[in-house]
Amino acid sequence: GENVEQHPSTLSVQEGDSAVIKCTYSDSASNYFPWYKQELGKRPQLIIDIRSNVGEKKDQRIAVTLNKTAKHFSLHITETQPEDSAVYFCAASIRGQDTGTASKLTFGTGTRLQVTL
Amino acid sequence: EAQVTQNPRYLITVTGKKLTVTCSQNMNHEYMSWYRQDPGLGLRQIYYSMNVEVTDKGDVPEGYKVSRKEKRNFPLILESPSPNQTSLYFCATKRGTVGSYNEQFFGPGTRLTVL
Repeated sequence: GENVEQHPSTLSVQEGDSAVIKCTYSDSASNYFPWYKQELGKRPQLIIDIRSNVGEKKDQRIAVTLNKTAKHFSLHITETQPEDSAVYFCAASIRGQDTGTASKLTFGTGTRLQVTL
Repeated sequence: EAQVTQNPRYLITVTGKKLTVTCSQNMNHEYMSWYRQDPGLGLRQIYYSMNVEVTDKGDVPEGYKVSRKEKRNFPLILESPSPNQTSLYFCATKRGTVGSYNEQFFGPGTRLTVL
């Protein structure tokens, strides 16, 4: 099955600096890559996603890049703010011939981002 | 208001005592799923359901059962809980099924402790 690795596990940046979180996936059939943000004590929420037919996607201070050849994708947060402090999860969705595998979502182990003043 | 609800939110139980965690959604979503979240391991999928009466195993199904008798509900059943099932559990839903890229909406979570 799919395996998603995420690095780093913790990341501390100063307010205003950029943060980058990287993920790699194993199954070249994966074609959907969402990023979820989980604030302390809260549920995960989608912040951005990218499909395999796109190399980069941007939404205000957040951007995601995808390198299909290398099988890795990254989350970039610019001009970080204290409210960006949270755990971030990447994920990959396998698209197989079997309908049962088309909706399987495999998550990375998470990155705890701390934005300091 | 569109929402996913889980009950109970917190539960402390003992080994071997059967329990059910309920999940309900009012968004008419076809797809529902259960995850467990453990420190350092991220979110791991337990079971998912593409539609009523259609369920399939995720990555860590051992020790769990599910059922999908109606669209809005997807209960998670632990027939004989063990301490290694102590975890934070999330139910999630999304609109589509096969080949769909829809966002997954998570419930508030259920923190389960098995003594």
